[in-house]
Amino acid sequence: GNSVTQMEGPVTLSEEAFLTINCTYTATGYPSLFWYVQYPGEGLQLLLKATKADDKGSNKGFEATYRKETTSFHLEKGSVQVSDSAVYFCALSVNTGGFKTIFGAGTRLFVKA
Amino acid sequence: DVKVTQSSRYLVKRTGEKVFLECVQDMDHENMFWYRQDPGLGLRLIYFSYDVKMKEKGDIPEGYSVSREKKERFSLILESASTNQTSMYLCASSLGAWSSETSGRITQYFGPGTRLLVL
Repeated sequence: GNSVTQMEGPVTLSEEAFLTINCTYTATGYPSLFWYVQYPGEGLQLLLKATKADDKGSNKGFEATYRKETTSFHLEKGSVQVSDSAVYFCALSVNTGGFKTIFGAGTRLFVKA
Repeated sequence: DVKVTQSSRYLVKRTGEKVFLECVQDMDHENMFWYRQDPGLGLRLIYFSYDVKMKEKGDIPEGYSVSREKKERFSLILESASTNQTSMYLCASSLGAWSSETSGRITQYFGPGTRLLVL
């Protein structure tokens, strides 16, 4: 079946530190991959996406590369800010005739000033 | 910008009550979804709808039903609320069916969520 596994949190970093949140997936078919972010008190919003192998999605200084050989889509940012404190969800969607997106459990990030 | 609104941010209900959660989107999206979000479990799909009056069960439909009488509105109904339905409920919408041309059609847009407490 289709599933997403991401690293457990919380992750606590100091401002300007390097961030990596690991995400791996299993999928029947060729998935599109996403990172969504949920800021405190809000719903989820799309952060970035990639639709085929070796694609790199990027937004707001965050990046993730679609690695088919390792079935991974790790999220990275070179220098985090306090305002990046949020919950990050890795997700996939596969064209198997359905419309669903499968979400990981989420990783909470705390950034200290 | 796509806007998805939910009728309440916080709701407190008694066990056995019938509960209605409303969701409205303003971008003519075909698909709408209801999730519940619980710590450590991420988002779990309850029901989704790909057209007016159409609905499909998600992963955890037990104890819930849905209604989609108009394209922009998708309602989640708890027929008889129980304490194990205390959770954050998130509504989402997406443009349409997955297409090999663009994944933009499957990007989901979320409402702010309704935090439901069942006593």
